[in-house]
Amino acid sequence: NAGVTQTPKFRVLKTGQSMTLLCAQDMNHEYMYWYRQDPGMGLRLIHYSVGEGTTAKGEVPDGYNVSRLKKQNFLLGLESAAPSQTSVYFCASRLDNSNYGYTFGSGTRLTVV
Amino acid sequence: GENVEQHPSTLSVQEGDSAVIKCTYSDSASNYFPWYKQELGKRPQLIIDIRSNVGEKKDQRIAVTLNKTAKHFSLHITETQPEDSAVYFCAASRGAGNMLTFGGGTRLMVKP
Repeated sequence: NAGVTQTPKFRVLKTGQSMTLLCAQDMNHEYMYWYRQDPGMGLRLIHYSVGEGTTAKGEVPDGYNVSRLKKQNFLLGLESAAPSQTSVYFCASRLDNSNYGYTFGSGTRLTVV
Repeated sequence: GENVEQHPSTLSVQEGDSAVIKCTYSDSASNYFPWYKQELGKRPQLIIDIRSNVGEKKDQRIAVTLNKTAKHFSLHITETQPEDSAVYFCAASRGAGNMLTFGGGTRLMVKP
């Protein structure tokens, strides 16, 4: 039982490049989230999913896309990276609608130059 | 939507002293308030949470208090130790069916 696994852990992109961050969980959780963490701004929700095949926008969705084709995976895509997307990205998951607890992944540090 | 403000942004205490971190929230319908601890380079981890049907909850050296009328809640750490040094985040939600909104974080430094 690995919990929530994020890949990659670090990445440097040039402006305009694209990439996909992968979040995988093996706990059969229904709900999955992508947050970004910036100094002094806490964790801000980018997109989330309440089940396989569903996605919804969070607080700061612009410049990102997501997909949840399989229940265990939640992908975050950057089509054309910008320096403003330099951040640490955390994925989290939660069992279902009756459960409050989030489990976080270990994070992906992304730098866009 | 919900807005959560957290103070102070940094807090330095001597080992053995108490530390208090405060958060205010805007949505009166919020009823779940967790606290997360994030050590340097690590993921946030839940340390304690409180639901709106109680005013205080304690777990060893950590306690959380909630004032629903004033819409604020606080984390209290007693007898602080160097290993308590970390960034602490408060959060709020309307319950299990809704996502968490986080405060901006407090960097706690405990000096030996």
